[in-house]
Amino acid sequence: EPEVTQTPSHQVTQMGQEVILRCVPISNHLYFYWYRQILGQKVEFLVSFYNNEISEKSEIFDDQFSVERPDGSNFTLKIRSTKLEDSAMYFCASRLSGGTDTQYFGPGTRLTVL
Amino acid sequence: KQEVTQIPAALSVPEGENLVLNCSFTDSAIYNLQWFRQDPGKGLTSLLLIQSSQREQTSGRLNASLDKSSGRSTLYIAASQPGDSATYLCAVKGLGSSGGYQKVTFGTGTKLQVIP
Repeated sequence: EPEVTQTPSHQVTQMGQEVILRCVPISNHLYFYWYRQILGQKVEFLVSFYNNEISEKSEIFDDQFSVERPDGSNFTLKIRSTKLEDSAMYFCASRLSGGTDTQYFGPGTRLTVL
Repeated sequence: KQEVTQIPAALSVPEGENLVLNCSFTDSAIYNLQWFRQDPGKGLTSLLLIQSSQREQTSGRLNASLDKSSGRSTLYIAASQPGDSATYLCAVKGLGSSGGYQKVTFGTGTKLQVIP
């Protein structure tokens, strides 16, 4: 069964460094999402992406964040200058366009900012 | 601003019991509601999705209902098993600031433990 994959599974970085989290959505999906979950807290929506542009973003998704679909398979989340409070699990999700609206989630990347 | 609350926060039941998890949301202008399970340290697995025009969805031992006007959804699990132990999340898709229905708001979750 097709699945969403994410790399790396765990990323440790120093405060102020840039990180790129990578996701490979399910191949025929057209909508892509990033979420984060700070330890012990709710899953929070960051951004949705469709047709090579951001379709919606939350107040969390400020100028420090950017997303990109650099090729036909990858979907990336970049954090330009990481802060301690960016430490969280980051989940990527994808879904088909039209039809079922079910989102399929990847296993997540745990980001630790020191 | 949409707020999604789940009650109870934690639940422990003996194997075989039927149980109900609750989800409430403050803004009834939703596009759909989705139930997920999350296992420790893992991603989210979709269980059921209910469109705003639907009243319920069923999959195996799971049944989810939606009462949009009152801002409530329930997830019913029949004949619970130890393998059902996980955190259950509901997520509401609603209107975002861009004018489209792409913003998803998650609930606080219910941590379920099914005791053999």
